[in-house]
Amino acid sequence: GQQLNQSPQSMFIQEGEDVSMNCTSSSIFNTWLWYKQDPGEGPVLLIALYKAGELTSNGRLTAQFGITRKDSFLNISASIPSDVGIYFCAGYSNSGYALNFGKGTSLLVTP
Amino acid sequence: KAGVTQTPRYLIKTRGQQVTLSCSPISGHRSVSWYQQTPGQGLQFLFEYFSETQRNKGNFPGRFSGRQFSNSRSEMNVSTLELGDSALYLCASSLVGSAGANVLTFGAGSRLTVL
Repeated sequence: GQQLNQSPQSMFIQEGEDVSMNCTSSSIFNTWLWYKQDPGEGPVLLIALYKAGELTSNGRLTAQFGITRKDSFLNISASIPSDVGIYFCAGYSNSGYALNFGKGTSLLVTP
Repeated sequence: KAGVTQTPRYLIKTRGQQVTLSCSPISGHRSVSWYQQTPGQGLQFLFEYFSETQRNKGNFPGRFSGRQFSNSRSEMNVSTLELGDSALYLCASSLVGSAGANVLTFGAGSRLTVL
């Protein structure tokens, strides 16, 4: 599958801070998805993006589909302790049939 | 409506044994995909089934196999288990099963430990 480079690998922040993470690919993607995984659970979809330049919000979360179609970012505003978990970017390339995943960003939030 | 259900949630096997994992998709979802998740490799695609047919397959050895039944429920099997097969196996279902517009809904996974 296509390799996705997700950064940062981990973040340790204080409650109330904003968070930003991003994902890049070596090839063009036609769909970008952002998932969150809590310990002992499967990934849960946060935001789906289908068009280059698309900016979509889900509560305190905002994600964008990069203009080049090779990148995407996720922002979390005013973080709270329940934001703790691993965030994954994922996407489909034009020629791909499988959902490719980044290695994840581990987020820790201190009260 | 019920989500994706995977059984068993946890299991321990020894090298050389085989294991079968089960997945019940969301009602109405006809596509089922399987992923292996490990700390080192992350989430890796195993295979996808749609209407009882394997449509796509990832880069895993032939010891990994699966099938889908007429009610869309799916099973995956791993034979001759190796230590490196220890992982969280995730099943995901989707409505259509075509790449590019498809959102996967994941189950909680089956945690396999091989001793």
